[in-house]
Amino acid sequence: SQQGEEDPQALSIQEGENATMNCSYKTSINNLQWYRQNSGRGLVHLILIRSNEREKHSGRLRVTLDTSKKSSSLLITASRAADTASYFCATPDSGNTPLVFGKGTRLSVIA
Amino acid sequence: EPEVTQTPSHQVTQMGQEVILRCVPISNHLYFYWYRQILGQKVEFLVSFYNNEISEKSEIFDDQFSVERPDGSNFTLKIRSTKLEDSAMYFCASSEGGRNSPLHFGNGTRLTVT
Repeated sequence: SQQGEEDPQALSIQEGENATMNCSYKTSINNLQWYRQNSGRGLVHLILIRSNEREKHSGRLRVTLDTSKKSSSLLITASRAADTASYFCATPDSGNTPLVFGKGTRLSVIA
Repeated sequence: EPEVTQTPSHQVTQMGQEVILRCVPISNHLYFYWYRQILGQKVEFLVSFYNNEISEKSEIFDDQFSVERPDGSNFTLKIRSTKLEDSAMYFCASSEGGRNSPLHFGNGTRLTVT
């Protein structure tokens, strides 16, 4: 299974600080995606990074991908209380599943 | 912005009963999915659907589960005889392309089996 695993499981920071979440996966991928989930809601796609990309930006989000280490990181700069959510990485599986999600990182941003 | 809608938002049923969860995917999307999330656990893939047939399914998606696209807009998940362990949030998703495309999720149906 491609399953991504996020680290840390939980992260608590003050508003204005940067938040970094990491994801590791097991086998070769052609892309890696990050999603956000507010409590009790559906997942929202944040960013997709392809295997031939090393870094990608979207607003306050910065994603890096290191295929040699099979890892990715999501950086949220200048965090806000509204960024409080769970963040998941997901990779297409080489087997039968389209996208396999990790367990997520629960981010709490304290105002 | 177009969105995936799911109904009902919460369904309570007794063990052994049949339930149908409904979804309206984004209209120009071609791929449809069901995922589930047991409380506090990871999001698990159930099934994907393309061109009016199941394209992939997981081990969770056994004979108790079925999916259907009865018309041009709805996509349903049926659980024939619910078990207590079927209690979970069920998320529908759709995408324009296949496994390399972002998924657009609905807000889910919380299924409680008593």
